[in-house]
Parts: sequence; structure tokens; C-alpha cells
Amino acid sequence: QSVLTQPPSVSATPGQKVTISCSGSSSNIANNYVSWYQQLPGTAPKLLIYGNYKRPSGIPDRFSGSRSGTSATLGITGLQTEDEADYFCGTWDSSLSAWVFGGGTKLTVL
Amino acid sequence: QVQLQESGPGLVKPSQTLSLTCSVSGGSVSSGHHYWSWIRQHPGKGLEWIGYIYYNGNTYYNPSLKSRLTISMDASKNQFSLKLNSVTAADTAVYSCAAFDSSGYEVEYWGQGTLVTVSS
Repeated sequence: QSVLTQPPSVSATPGQKVTISCSGSSSNIANNYVSWYQQLPGTAPKLLIYGNYKRPSGIPDRFSGSRSGTSATLGITGLQTEDEADYFCGTWDSSLSAWVFGGGTKLTVL
Repeated sequence: QVQLQESGPGLVKPSQTLSLTCSVSGGSVSSGHHYWSWIRQHPGKGLEWIGYIYYNGNTYYNPSLKSRLTISMDASKNQFSLKLNSVTAADTAVYSCAAFDSSGYEVEYWGQGTLVTVSS
């Protein structure tokens, strides 16, 4: 059981918007920066969002991040078939003194 | 662009030591720009942070693994390594090396990962 909770799967059609939630607690999400990662099939994960909402260079603005209290959300607008991947969140947990990750969400673009 | 490549045995016997090495290119383990880390994913499960090492040799381990774990670096080879003692079947996982940003707040780069199976 992961410390951070994500829905196992979400789906949407091309062009639509989807959101992926990441639920935690006061010892992790509420007080530490959240980052999001995309893992395309057969490839290494890639950093999508850091510092709760910042995008590394090269990441399109279709991807956005937000945090409210003990939850964080990844948003993807204008869905494309190539967005079909696993997405997971991560942050530091001050109580566990460890980095923790969500269980991952599989995005299907129908 | 930092690139990371894991290497090591894919099969380890129970009670033995799991040893993996991560070769770094496009960056230096001595630079201080990153925390050099190991992360694993058990089959069908989420990710588990194992620990990381900084350029000055300081290490930070997941408390759940600390008693069995050693992460070290070899600056001359631009590599860092993982040793996990007394392994059991529960240590079967895909092991990935990764580079956290120097702030430690996010993973900037990931290796592809290598499956290590613990079995007799």
C-alpha cells in the first residue's frame, strides 16, 4: 500500500481534459513539494511537474500541477494519444524520513 | 542531459547480497548538482525510495531498509552502487538508479531499471 493514494486508472478521449489526484497527509503533501512523473510504456519515467506546479523546460503547458492541503492534482488538457502512460506523484514524508510515491495511475486515451 | 544505466546480476539467492552499479554519463557524481539515488518497484506495486548519496559521500537511507543497505560512489568511474544484504523474495523488484535535483525535491533523471529476482 503506497503512502500516497492515486486512482489506479483514468480514461478520456483525445482533446479532452483529465485530472489525476494524489492524496496524502500533513507529513508529506501538505508540507513538502510534490512532483509528477510520466512513464511511457517501456521507457524510464520523466519529470513532468516539480515544486507542486512548475514545469521543466520542454514540458508543454498542457500539463499542470496544483496542491491544496493534503492533496495534489495533475491536469492534462488537449489529450493526445501519445499521453497514454503511467503517471505517479512523489514527495518527501517528514514523519517517515523517506521519499514516498503514489501507486501510479494508468491513463488511457480512448 | 544526464543518462543513467544500471548493471548487475538479475538473479540473487536468498540471504545473499544484492549488488548493483549505476553508470552516469552527461553529469558527474562529484558535482554536487544531484543526489544519486536508488528506487525500486515491486511487481505490480508502487515505487519505493531506497536511498541516495551526495557528492560529499553523505548518505540518506529509507529507514525501512537502513539496516541492510549501503550506497557508495566511485568518482573515478563516475558510478554509484547499491548493496542490499540478507535479501529475501520480498526484495524481488525492478531497481532503478535516479538523480534527484540538488534540492532533493524532485527526481530529474531516471535509469531504465533492471529486474532483480531473489530465488534459489
